[in-house]
Amino acid sequence: SYELTQPLSVSVALGQTARITCGGNNIGNKYVHWYQQKPGQAPVLVICRNVNRPSGIPERFSGSNSENTATLTISGAQAGDEADYYCQVWDNFTEVFGPGTKVTVL
Amino acid sequence: QGQLVESGGGVVQPGRSLRLACEASGFTFSSYAMHWVRQAPGKGPEWVAVISYDGGNKFYGDSVKGRFTVSRDNSKTTLYVQMNNLRPEDTAVYYCARGYGDYDGWYFDLWGRGTLVTVSS
Repeated sequence: SYELTQPLSVSVALGQTARITCGGNNIGNKYVHWYQQKPGQAPVLVICRNVNRPSGIPERFSGSNSENTATLTISGAQAGDEADYYCQVWDNFTEVFGPGTKVTVL
Repeated sequence: QGQLVESGGGVVQPGRSLRLACEASGFTFSSYAMHWVRQAPGKGPEWVAVISYDGGNKFYGDSVKGRFTVSRDNSKTTLYVQMNNLRPEDTAVYYCARGYGDYDGWYFDLWGRGTLVTVSS
């Protein structure tokens, strides 16, 4: 089965840039989607199909995907961005989620 | 727009069955594939199943294949999952989610608030 890897945690100073990676074999050939989840809440889609921001998601969220790594970038991180972030792909008729990255805004 | 509201969770003994429902409103339910995604306490999301917009195609995660059955009633704008032979490792919050995409994969652009299933003796 397809496996995704993410760093367990990422820390970022307020107003600085956070980069969260999602690794997978030839993930650049797949669509990658990203979700933000805050405690006690359902996940929220922040990036779909590698680079697209759904309506209502701030411009500071962006995505990229190439070769074996997809990246979610938060430019100018805010206190409200502190959350868990999960990547997700479709492989062999199965949706696969990454293990998640906890983002702490200092 | 749109809203999804799950129901049917609770405490159940190992080996027993439970059926969850997800009522949709505010969008054309019959136009979308629908998914179940679960999340065990302190863990990340795990995809459970998808059913196509018309109910004609269904796919399942390996951990539930053969035990769970997804279905839908478009006239009632409701999604279901029948969970049989439940195990302690099925303990999780179960979310229904609207899928946007196709058979090359979906993303989940609308989620319910979830319903907690606890499997314990």
